[in-house]
Amino acid sequence: EVRLVESGGGLVQPGGSLRLSCAVSGFSFSDHYVDWVRRAPGKGLEWVGRSRNRARSYSTDYAASVKGRFTISRDDSRNSLYLQMNSLKTEDSAMYYCARTDVSKLKDFDYWGQGTLVTVSS
Amino acid sequence: QSVLTQPPSASGTPGQRVTISCSGSSSNIGSKTVNWYQQLPGTAPKLLIYSNNQRPSGVPDRFSGSKSGTSASLAISGLRSEDEADYYCGAWDDSLSGVVFGGGTKLTVL
Repeated sequence: EVRLVESGGGLVQPGGSLRLSCAVSGFSFSDHYVDWVRRAPGKGLEWVGRSRNRARSYSTDYAASVKGRFTISRDDSRNSLYLQMNSLKTEDSAMYYCARTDVSKLKDFDYWGQGTLVTVSS
Repeated sequence: QSVLTQPPSASGTPGQRVTISCSGSSSNIGSKTVNWYQQLPGTAPKLLIYSNNQRPSGVPDRFSGSKSGTSASLAISGLRSEDEADYYCGAWDDSLSGVVFGGGTKLTVL
């Protein structure tokens, strides 16, 4: 069974940092892309960034709104993806999801985690 | 302001057919495949349609997708109360080097 489980969310002050984790199981982590997607209260889905697979040298891409502040990394030995968030702003408050992409079948985000809530507030 | 444009709301009565549109440009829908997601209240999004018109296993054939040029559509036939949810289109954008979503359409079953 494919599973993605996020953790690490919480309350942080503006300007602070937080590190989210996404633990995956049930599939070959190194063969798949995994992305971060967020949904702020009252807003729609917003793509945050992508970690590609080993075949694509684990390259990353980021949304313009987080580039330079957020960093995606992965540890294949732990089957885990991370999102390091620095210089947090109130507008970063959202539910953060990790989601898998099956590149071979052009299935973007075929499995999602349950999400972890980030609140940026003083 | 979302890169892909969807109507903010749609509605229908049980049994009806509704369609939700998604408009983009040559850098996204015009050259890439479109995916559709359903998000029920309080839950994570779910992949509904991939590669423009393919259904993952387990998704009822009441849901169908199509694409023409720089626009795409999601059709839901035989509307049911449990279809009440937010629906999003998404695609890769070559100009932005990222995934773009529509603003979402809230479907109400009257």
